[in-house]
Amino acid sequence: GENVEQHPSTLSVQEGDSAVIKCTYSDSASNYFPWYKQELGKRPQLIIDIRSNVGEKKDQRIAVTLNKTAKHFSLHITETQPEDSAVYFCAASGATGGFKTIFGAGTRLFVKA
Amino acid sequence: DAGVIQSPRHEVTEMGQEVTLRCKPISGHDYLFWYRQTMMRGLELLIYFNNNVPIDDSGMPEDRFSAKMPNASFSTLKIQPSEPRDSAVYFCASSLLPQGNSPLHFGNGTRLTVT
Repeated sequence: GENVEQHPSTLSVQEGDSAVIKCTYSDSASNYFPWYKQELGKRPQLIIDIRSNVGEKKDQRIAVTLNKTAKHFSLHITETQPEDSAVYFCAASGATGGFKTIFGAGTRLFVKA
Repeated sequence: DAGVIQSPRHEVTEMGQEVTLRCKPISGHDYLFWYRQTMMRGLELLIYFNNNVPIDDSGMPEDRFSAKMPNASFSTLKIQPSEPRDSAVYFCASSLLPQGNSPLHFGNGTRLTVT
């Protein structure tokens, strides 16, 4: 089945700097890659997603890139702000395994003011 | 829309007791999922339904866990008997299309503590 690895597990940046979180997946049939943000004590919420027919997608300070050949995808946050501090999860899903969404282990991002 | 609604928000129970978690998905969403979140194992899919029918329950840990969806607007996850290792946050989520094509909308979760 699908396996998603996420790095780093913890990331600390200074306010205004960029943050990059990387994920790899194992199932070449996966075709949908969402990213979720989970603040302390709250539910995961979608922040951006990308499909396998697109290499890059951007939404204001957030961008995601996908390399299908290498089975890598990454989240980029520019001009980080203290409110970006949270746990970020990457995920992958596709036809194999009945479209189950498999989550990475999460990255705890700290943005220092 | 009020989003996915879960109850209760917190549940504390003693080992051996029955626990029932409840979920109301977003109206019009055909898919409903139950996830469990722990520090050790992260977000695990337990079971999901399509049009009220269970499709994949391979993530259900053991026979003590059961889930039902009697209609399009209600689902339950039951643990009987509960054990301390069941302590976790249980999330219900719904989506409009199969997970491979649309994002999950999560409820606020139920934090279960079994003593």
